[in-house]
Amino acid sequence: EDQVTQSPEALRLQEGESSSLNCSYTVSGLRGLFWYRQDPGKGPEFLFTLYSAGEEKEKERLKATLTKKESFLHITAPKPEDSATYLCAVQVRAYGQNFVFGPGTRLSVLP
Amino acid sequence: NAGVTQTPKFRILKIGQSMTLQCAQDMNHNYMYWYRQDPGMGLKLIYYSVGAGITDKGEVPNGYNVSRSTTEDFPLRLELAAPSQTSVYFCASSYRGQGQPQHFGDGTRLSIL
Repeated sequence: EDQVTQSPEALRLQEGESSSLNCSYTVSGLRGLFWYRQDPGKGPEFLFTLYSAGEEKEKERLKATLTKKESFLHITAPKPEDSATYLCAVQVRAYGQNFVFGPGTRLSVLP
Repeated sequence: NAGVTQTPKFRILKIGQSMTLQCAQDMNHNYMYWYRQDPGMGLKLIYYSVGAGITDKGEVPNGYNVSRSTTEDFPLRLELAAPSQTSVYFCASSYRGQGQPQHFGDGTRLSIL
């Protein structure tokens, strides 16, 4: 069974305190790994797509990396506006029931 | 630049009532999806569509129905609402193909009392 887990469930950081979020997956086939940001009362907002082990993507204070079993979302010198829930999703087939989502990591950055 | 639009944003239903959640996208995406999101759980796929006139069940379809008569619209119908259907419902769309991200609406928060 395709499965995606995320850790930690919740993370509280001081402003400027760098850290990493983990997404681990056990799937039949990887066609892409996606990171989303979700603010309270909003839908998930797309951040990155990673396709193969060793790939990295960066956007402002965020950097996503991918290995064969997991992905990390590194947050460098976070600001309070980075507070959100970060979701990881794996595309396991080209169509149909093709995305499996993790439960998310709830990040709070305190000023 | 609307993207994916969902209506209503909030709704309270009584047990046994029915309603339709509306979803429209203006990006000419082939694929559309309905998910539910419950606290502490990942998004669960209810139904999906790969094009107008083509729909199929996802992981948790019981108690729901969908139709897709146009590329733009993908309504979700709840028949005989039950308390277990209290959730936040998200509609998403994407282009066809590998590695295409899904674009989400802002959700409908539904309570069944």
